[in-house]
Formats: sequence, structure tokens, C-alpha cells
Amino acid sequence: AQSVTQLDSQVPVFEEAPVELRCNYSSSVSVYLFWYVQYPNQGLQLLLKYLSGSTLVKGINGFEAEFNKSQTSFHLRKPSVHISDTAEYFCAVSLPPGGYNKLIFGAGTRLAVHP
Amino acid sequence: GAGVSQSPRYKVAKRGQDVALRCDPISGHVSLFWYQQALGQGPEFLTYFQNEAQLDKSGLPSDRFFAERPEGSVSTLKIQRTQQEDSAVYLCASSSNPQGPGETQYFGPGTRLLVL
Repeated sequence: AQSVTQLDSQVPVFEEAPVELRCNYSSSVSVYLFWYVQYPNQGLQLLLKYLSGSTLVKGINGFEAEFNKSQTSFHLRKPSVHISDTAEYFCAVSLPPGGYNKLIFGAGTRLAVHP
Repeated sequence: GAGVSQSPRYKVAKRGQDVALRCDPISGHVSLFWYQQALGQGPEFLTYFQNEAQLDKSGLPSDRFFAERPEGSVSTLKIQRTQQEDSAVYLCASSSNPQGPGETQYFGPGTRLLVL
């Protein structure tokens, strides 16, 4: 069975500093990988996804993530964060074609950006 | 265009009461998912519809949970005889192409259910 582990439940960081949110997954088959962001009282919004091809994926709001198959990781990075990036971030996997893209989420990482 | 909407946004129920949660997906979206998000946790899959057909209900925690999508658009998640452990945010998501690789799911704002 597939599972997702987000290694940090909370990440505090100062504004304009770089940040990395870590995600590891386990699966016996290839998967698709996603990062979603959840702002307070809002639904989840897709930041980026990895399906195939280049292992470095660029998303919205200046975020990027790198797929590392050997380490089964998909860490999210941003070189300079803003106060507005304060939110909950979820890493997720889904199965490749043949399924219907059911998402399996990690427990989330709360990013707190301080001035 | 309009995104996924859910109603009510908040629901307080007494233990033992039945509740119904509504999801309006993006118009034309074939796939519809329900997820349950407990406090401090990531969303967990409950059930999946392709049009009006419920193809996967493996995540429903008990037979008190029931979902339907009779006309292939609006969906309702019903919880009978609510228990305190049912307190959570219930998220609905839709996507356009069930066979599309890594198809993006668009999420609604959720219904926050509190069972007293």
C-alpha cells in the first residue's frame, strides 16, 4: 500500500528566508506526486505535481519540488518566503493510469512565516 | 468560472442525529471525491463517483456513512446516527477526466462537522 510521510509537522521561518518542506513516500509501484496548500477556512489548492519527465517541477507562487526516486522523496522548496505563504502544506500521491487518481495525503506541514 | 461549493459550511449536530452534506462540483466534471479531514491530519479518502456510479466506497468508515450522486452532478454525503468521532471537515473534490494522468482535483472549502 502507498503511504506519505511529512517529516515536519511545523516549520517556522523568517520572511525572505528559504524554506524546504520534506515529503517521503512509500510505494511498490510508480506514483504521481502532488503538493497542495490549504489556507485557513479554504479548500486545498494545487501547488504543483510530478507525473513524469524532468525531476524538478515548478509550481505557482514561486514554489518548486524535486522528485528523487532513489530516496523516494518529493521535497518542496521556495528560495524566499512571504508572510502570505503562511498555510498548511500537504504532500500527496496517486496511482498511475488505470486508476482514478485517488489521493493519499500526508499529515501536513504548517508553515509559519514571521516578519 | 465557479469552483466546487459545499454546504453547509458549518454543522453542529447532537450525537445520534442524522446529517446531510452537499457538494456542487465544477460543471461538467465527471469525477467526484469525498475526503474526511480530522483535526491536525491530512485528508483521507472516503468515496469516489464517476458520473452517477459509485466506483469506490472503500474509505467509508462504517455503514452509517452513505453517499449518492443520482444525476451525475450534485452529491450528498449522509451520516446517520452521528458519533463524536465523526467530527471532522468533510472535503469534496472534482476533476474532469477520470483517466487523465495525474488529473488535478479541485477542492471545495469543506463542511466542518461538530458532533456534541
